[in-house]
Amino acid sequence: AQKITQTQPGMFVQEKEAVTLDCTYDTSDPSYGLFWYKQPSSGEMIFLIYQGSYDQQNATEGRYSLNFQKARKSANLVISASQLGDSAMYFCAMREGISGSARQLTFGSGTQLTVLP
Amino acid sequence: NAGVTQTPKFQVLKTGQSMTLQCAQDMNHEYMSWYRQDPGMGLRLIHYSVGAGITDQGEVPNGYNVSRSTTEDFPLRLLSAAPSQTSVYFCASSSNRAYEQYFGPGTRLTVT
Repeated sequence: AQKITQTQPGMFVQEKEAVTLDCTYDTSDPSYGLFWYKQPSSGEMIFLIYQGSYDQQNATEGRYSLNFQKARKSANLVISASQLGDSAMYFCAMREGISGSARQLTFGSGTQLTVLP
Repeated sequence: NAGVTQTPKFQVLKTGQSMTLQCAQDMNHEYMSWYRQDPGMGLRLIHYSVGAGITDQGEVPNGYNVSRSTTEDFPLRLLSAAPSQTSVYFCASSSNRAYEQYFGPGTRLTVT
């Protein structure tokens, strides 16, 4: 089974509107974390936000928030007030466990977001 | 503040050639890893290291070798390049005190 599933290959959003990018995950480990990374057309991987499985509140970083629904195993990224510079590929990723190898990341296939002027 | 650096940025190899992709970080991070990114896919883990002298395999290790003789450097060796290794390669590092991973700019490798 896929560990990370991103079901939206492409999304469009109007500038200044909010957008939600979906991510579902599959793990049996009680200790895990979910990440979102942004990859613009220049190719670098930019860390956006992190949510640990034991964190009580949803993570927020500026215009980014993570809608973490543990029972549904979903970790959707919400971008508020979209900007043209938000156009990029977005990847959801997961780490599992608490040992030294717990930093291994499993990535989804990504969602290409296009912000329209 | 250099962060994670990778060299070269681009490389073209012929089938059967060997080469080393370089990765260095100046943040004194214990954990380092190599990923490959193929078109239309997310990144997949090749090898990782939890500290100097310790390495282990990830999801797609075949055809690659790593070593970690210092905290700063984590080179990835392609033993005998194959067209299936055409990809973009990313190095990443992380501290033991936080889960965030910092990625290098990537190396685009083409094997003909």
